Amino acid sequence: KQEVTQIPAALSVPEGENLVLNCSFTDSAIYNLQWFRQDPGKGLTSLLLIQSSQREQTSGRLNASLDKSSGRSTLYIAASQPGDSATYLCASPTSGTYKYIFGTGTRLKVLA
Amino acid sequence: GAGVSQSPSNKVTEKGKDVELRCDPISGHTALYWYRQSLGQGLEFLIYFQGNSAPDKSGLPSDRFSAERTGGSVSTLTIQRTQQEDSAVYLCASSLSTGGKLFFGSGTQLSVL
Repeated sequence: KQEVTQIPAALSVPEGENLVLNCSFTDSAIYNLQWFRQDPGKGLTSLLLIQSSQREQTSGRLNASLDKSSGRSTLYIAASQPGDSATYLCASPTSGTYKYIFGTGTRLKVLA
Repeated sequence: GAGVSQSPSNKVTEKGKDVELRCDPISGHTALYWYRQSLGQGLEFLIYFQGNSAPDKSGLPSDRFSAERTGGSVSTLTIQRTQQEDSAVYLCASSLSTGGKLFFGSGTQLSVL
């Protein structure tokens, strides 16, 4: 059974800082891992999808890495901005299925 | 459509009533997922569809919950005899295929009084 953990639960940083969000998963036989952001009262927006054969994916100021052997993924946000304030969630499927299990998220606040 | 559409956006119902929540996925997306998010909590998996079939229904909380998908498109989540603990945001997502990028709707906020 896949379990997904995100640390820290909350993070507050000044504008301009580079930061790293962590995601750990217990079942490493995964197809892929996805990162999302959720704004208050809204649905989720997909940020990055990393296939199991890849080690990282980049989109603009975001870079996500995947290390299946250690069961970890990180989301790196460069030069953070107040508009990055949101909850960030990672999701990974249970081995052999496409049932995505979500972490409880990291609530990020970027201070102007 | 341009995105995943869910209706209604808000639903207030009385305990014991039945409710139907609708999800209209992105055109051509074969996979469809239902999740539930209670206040301040993470996303709880309910069910997913590949086409019209549901390979995994393990997340449905009780036999009061059911879901169907017809024509490989629209899906309906039905909750019978609603209870207060059913109050949550119900989120739907679709992807081009299973294992693809998930696109979420804005959700249905269900309040059971």
